[in-house]
Amino acid sequence: DTGVSQDPRHKITKRGQNVTFRCDPISEHNRLYWYRQTLGQGPEFLTYFQNEAQLEKSRLLSDRFSAERPKGSFSTLEIQRTEQGDSAMYLCASSTRQGREAFFGQGTRLTVV
Amino acid sequence: AQSVAQPEDQVNVAEGNPLTVKCTYSVSGNPYLFWYVQYPNRGLQFLLKYITGDNLVKGSYGFEAEFNKSQTSFHLKKPSALVSDSALYFCAVSPGGGDYKLSFGAGTTVTVRA
Repeated sequence: DTGVSQDPRHKITKRGQNVTFRCDPISEHNRLYWYRQTLGQGPEFLTYFQNEAQLEKSRLLSDRFSAERPKGSFSTLEIQRTEQGDSAMYLCASSTRQGREAFFGQGTRLTVV
Repeated sequence: AQSVAQPEDQVNVAEGNPLTVKCTYSVSGNPYLFWYVQYPNRGLQFLLKYITGDNLVKGSYGFEAEFNKSQTSFHLKKPSALVSDSALYFCAVSPGGGDYKLSFGAGTTVTVRA
């Protein structure tokens, strides 16, 4: 499977714990995006990388959120001191330098209890 | 800032009938427009895009969409719906230039009855 891969698919955590999600983009896609989707809503942009550089962060991305893409390949999204409001589906997507369309992974569903 | 409106939460059609899912957008400059579909427990799948050129664009699974600049609309259409088209559909816009992020509508649930 050469699509965008996300791990884990599901994560249940207690409030206050830290969680980390991983995204492996489509090979040779130099742009990588993180979105968050809550029930009944469309995905909301969180942050975007071009190669290893994080070029834009949404105001939705509080100080408790951090994302990295250390070698311009896979990316991680960490949420520190999770809150119940962080419960959502976290989607990763990637695109080529030329293409405007982003290809999405299946997402990581986070439940904070 | 860009935004997308999908005025219908749900669309119900009979199999074999035409399907239309509506989308209007607001963005500065020339928009890049997209449609995605989401099946239960699966990620978003890209259907089609409008970047420039012909106002009628064709995409996957027999879907097409018509860009109307004067009405700022980008409606998704399929001439003959299938039960398997039942899913959640999202319209998205990107402002173009050096801005690659997508702004999505809230989605429209399509139900095609046999």
